[in-house]
Amino acid sequence: AQSVTQPDIHITVSEGASLELRCNYSYGATPYLFWYVQSPGQGLQLLLKYFSGDTLVQGIKGFEAEFKRSQSSFNLRKPSVHWSDAAEYFCAVGLMTGGGNKLTFGTGTQLKVEL
Amino acid sequence: DTGVSQDPRHKITKRGQNVTFRCDPISEHNRLYWYRQTLGQGPEFLTYFQNEAQLEKSRLLSDRFSAERPKGSFSTLEIQRTEQGDSAMYLCASSPGRGGTTDTQYFGPGTRLTVL
Repeated sequence: AQSVTQPDIHITVSEGASLELRCNYSYGATPYLFWYVQSPGQGLQLLLKYFSGDTLVQGIKGFEAEFKRSQSSFNLRKPSVHWSDAAEYFCAVGLMTGGGNKLTFGTGTQLKVEL
Repeated sequence: DTGVSQDPRHKITKRGQNVTFRCDPISEHNRLYWYRQTLGQGPEFLTYFQNEAQLEKSRLLSDRFSAERPKGSFSTLEIQRTEQGDSAMYLCASSPGRGGTTDTQYFGPGTRLTVL
């Protein structure tokens, strides 16, 4: 069965510093990978997705992620963090099921930004 | 373009009561998903609709849970005889349903259920 691991439960960075959030997946076929962000008490907002092609994916809010098949990773990066980026970040892998796309999520990484 | 909406946003109930949640997907989205998120965890898949047909149910969805999408538009999730372990955020997502595996899900704000 597919699974997603986010090894860092909490990360604290200073505003303006660079950020990398780790994500490792386990999946037998070509993975379809997503990063979502969740602010307190809110639903999930899609940051970016990878289906195929270029392994470096650009998303919204200045985020990017790189798919590395050899390392089974899909890490999220941002060169300069803003205070408004403080939130919880979820990596997910999509599995085709009955014609749909069922997502399996990691446990999330809580990002704190120090001013 | 309005996003996915869910109602209510918060629900507090006593153990043993029935509750029903509603999800309105993005207009013309064919697929609708329900997920459950407990504290400190990522969302977990519960069930999925293609138009009005419920195509898959997770083992997490016990007999006390039932979901419907009667006209292929909005969906309801009902929990009968609620238990304290049902306390969670219930998230709804919809997707266009035209992209196969590239179909992207858009999430609503969720319904926070607290069972006392």
